[in-house]
Amino acid sequence: DQQVKQNSPSLSVQEGRISILNCDYTNSMFDYFLWYKKYPAEGPTFLISISSIKDKNEDGRFTVFLNKSAKHLSLHIVPSQPGDSAVYFCAASIWIQGAQKLVFGQGTRLTINP
Amino acid sequence: DVKVTQSSRYLVKRTGEKVFLECVQDMDHENMFWYRQDPGLGLRLIYFSYDVKMKEKGDIPEGYSVSREKKERFSLILESASTNQTSMYLCASSPGGPFGYTFGSGTRLTVV
Repeated sequence: DQQVKQNSPSLSVQEGRISILNCDYTNSMFDYFLWYKKYPAEGPTFLISISSIKDKNEDGRFTVFLNKSAKHLSLHIVPSQPGDSAVYFCAASIWIQGAQKLVFGQGTRLTINP
Repeated sequence: DVKVTQSSRYLVKRTGEKVFLECVQDMDHENMFWYRQDPGLGLRLIYFSYDVKMKEKGDIPEGYSVSREKKERFSLILESASTNQTSMYLCASSPGGPFGYTFGSGTRLTVV
């Protein structure tokens, strides 16, 4: 039962263009949504987040949009750079069993082509 | 620089062996987590701990146990390793709440 889903395993984008990564969720009790970036042989690192009461959060080249009615969020990267090539995980936060837990999606491998 | 350190980068173990994966954090974080990462499945939570000597099952605890005797150390134990436990194992710690998760670099375990 995958509560957080990233339906695109991979995405290829030209350098300088916009990258859009998508994520869907099923549990309306999630209170925060986060994006993590992972390079090979490294652990995931935090990129950007959004509260469930917001619809947009921006940090430099990265913007996350949340559509609660559709239970959908997206990460926009503009302009895309070669260093953005990585696996991106969408995660959702929920308070359960006495702790705040993160539930992760399957990941999307983003490749930025020169 | 704050760190989560996993003791081994690569491990190869035989079916039926008891396997210990060690994780140490130097940030005085309350919460620690063990995830496994598999292609097409993302990161799945195995166990977590929100205090010393406390542990809670995650989404896929079968075949695993954990130990947290000290705040900085969280160990994952495979009681009898099986080939379907071949995976990348990631340890993380957090101060509490949804932010501030720090992950280790991972241990790639192969069970033959």
